[in-house]
Amino acid sequence: NAGVMQNPRHLVRRRGQEARLRCSPMKGHSHVYWYRQLPEEGLKFMVYLQKENIIDESGMPKERFSAEFPKEGPSILRIQQVVRGDSAAYFCASSPPRGSGGGAKNIQYFGAGTRLSVL
Amino acid sequence: DQQVKQNSPSLSVQEGRISILNCDYTNSMFDYFLWYKKYPAEGPTFLISISSIKDKNEDGRFTVFLNKSAKHLSLHIVPSQPGDSAVYFCAASDGSNTGKLIFGQGTTLQVKP
Repeated sequence: NAGVMQNPRHLVRRRGQEARLRCSPMKGHSHVYWYRQLPEEGLKFMVYLQKENIIDESGMPKERFSAEFPKEGPSILRIQQVVRGDSAAYFCASSPPRGSGGGAKNIQYFGAGTRLSVL
Repeated sequence: DQQVKQNSPSLSVQEGRISILNCDYTNSMFDYFLWYKKYPAEGPTFLISISSIKDKNEDGRFTVFLNKSAKHLSLHIVPSQPGDSAVYFCAASDGSNTGKLIFGQGTTLQVKP
């Protein structure tokens, strides 16, 4: 299965703890996006990364949230000192390099998501 | 500021009939539009897309129509099947080099047997 892999699927944290969400993109994909979905809402863009670079973090809260996509290993979305309002589904998506001919423009392929619950 | 809007939270249709899901947008810089389908506890799955230079794209039972002057697009599913029951999201890309997608709130489609 060469799909986008996210883990864990469910994560429970108490207020003040740290949450780490992992995403392995599809094989051959070098672009990773993180989105957050609050209950009864659509997905909201958070951050766009390429290997070792943050390209666009305009959707990331200014504090407590960070993301990385190291040269080796999965992309990590890190939330420090979680609060109840962080409870949501966090989705990772990947896409092939631009001009790679890997498919129609801008199609992003999503993982199954991590559901974070903050107690 | 909701740049992509799906004003119908839900839609119910009979199996075999046509389902029409609507989406409006406000940003004239959007140059590419996508529809995703989402089942509970799963991630969104790409369905069909359309470039802003076209007004129609068809793939099997799914057709997307784009009306740029009205800033409106719609997804037609015909014939509808019970397995089509899911949440459908409209998304737009602004053509920037980030490729980020702006999503609507979603429409829950129920196809009754």
